[in-house]
Amino acid sequence: KAGVTQTPRYLIKTRGQQVTLSCSPISGHRSVSWYQQTPGQGLQFLFEYFSETQRNKGNFPGRFSGRQFSNSRSEMNVSTLELGDSALYLCASSVRLDNEQFFGPGTRLTVL
Amino acid sequence: GENVEQHPSTLSVQEGDSAVIKCTYSDSASNYFPWYKQELGKRPQLIIDIRSNVGEKKDQRIAVTLNKTAKHFSLHITETQPEDSAVYFCAASIGSNYQLIWGAGTKLIIKP
Repeated sequence: KAGVTQTPRYLIKTRGQQVTLSCSPISGHRSVSWYQQTPGQGLQFLFEYFSETQRNKGNFPGRFSGRQFSNSRSEMNVSTLELGDSALYLCASSVRLDNEQFFGPGTRLTVL
Repeated sequence: GENVEQHPSTLSVQEGDSAVIKCTYSDSASNYFPWYKQELGKRPQLIIDIRSNVGEKKDQRIAVTLNKTAKHFSLHITETQPEDSAVYFCAASIGSNYQLIWGAGTKLIIKP
């Protein structure tokens, strides 16, 4: 079956703009998690959605938000971009969080 | 808040030797502990996981041990090979929704 896909793969924005990233999970997976990855900072958990509800949330400011649609596809939005938001944003899908998470290829966001 | 400490941050071993990475968690109720491997430029992939009702799990050259009393779990890789070079992340679940708290990662370098 098809893996997790993310669009776009690369994005360049300027400070103050907003951005929306998209994630399509593996068919049948209802859990979608989002992570921010910067060099040397590991995987920083943003939030997790399950059946259109945000179940878990990491320690990120309110500028970071997300949603999940009825087909389990998920979007992440970052408003008022800052230079420090430059990172690789990964999404991962799973049947449930205590099962294997399958990661997408990521969206590399550069904020100038 | 809950956290997971992972050590060492960098581990260099001779090809053929064993490698051990240790993680310590803070939530005594954690019951799911996965390990992910991320090769350079690639997405993280699950290599092994363990649940709290099991003390050890093996998969070929990889094993994970769990000490619930001491609240730590370790990844053991035997007969290391060049393809084992990667960053390894541990995680521990918290709460009824199995939110994962991630370690900071260990860069494993296999010397030829």
